[in-house]
Amino acid sequence: SYELTQPPSVSVSPGQTASITCSGDKLGDKYACWYQQKPGQSPLLVIYRDSKRPSGIPERFSGSNSGNTATLTISGTQAIDEADYYCQTWDSSTVVFGGGTKLTVL
Amino acid sequence: QITLKESGPTLVKPTQTLTLTCTFSGFSLRTSEVGVGWIRQPPGKALECLALIYWDDDKHYSPSLKSRLTITKDTSKNQVVLTMTNMDPVDTATYYCAHRNYESSGTWYFDYWGQGTLVTVSS
Repeated sequence: SYELTQPPSVSVSPGQTASITCSGDKLGDKYACWYQQKPGQSPLLVIYRDSKRPSGIPERFSGSNSGNTATLTISGTQAIDEADYYCQTWDSSTVVFGGGTKLTVL
Repeated sequence: QITLKESGPTLVKPTQTLTLTCTFSGFSLRTSEVGVGWIRQPPGKALECLALIYWDDDKHYSPSLKSRLTITKDTSKNQVVLTMTNMDPVDTATYYCAHRNYESSGTWYFDYWGQGTLVTVSS
């Protein structure tokens, strides 16, 4: 079965750039999206189609996908960005989520 | 404005069958390419997609749980129902339903989620 691998945790200082990776076999040949989830809340779509931002998502969120890795980048990270982030794709109609990355802003 | 809301029991006993209902508004499951998915999240763990149902009644299930899951839709009531048989304590999780948006580029994603409902499996 297809798997997506994320680092369990990433730390970043306020104002700096955070990068969260998501690895999977030939992931660049598929589309990837990213969800943000804060404690006690439902997931929120922050990136779709590799690099598109839904309406209302700040410009500091960006995405890329090439080779075996999709990357979520948060520029000028703010304290409110502290959350869990999940990548997602699909393989043969099966939805696949990554294991999630806890972003700490300190 | 799209909204979804999950409903069902908060506590089930081991071996029982869980039935969850997703009631939605702001879209129709008669519309081409529309889908609704069920996703769960055990406490402190990652998201896992259980099942998807599409406008044309096509269905897809998690390969690892396929034998225990059934997803159906009632377009007249704007509802999607998930049943999961033989519940076990490891199935304790928050269960979400979500709207699947499809684009002509071939990509799709869950763009609207319900608030989730915590289901505990315990005797």
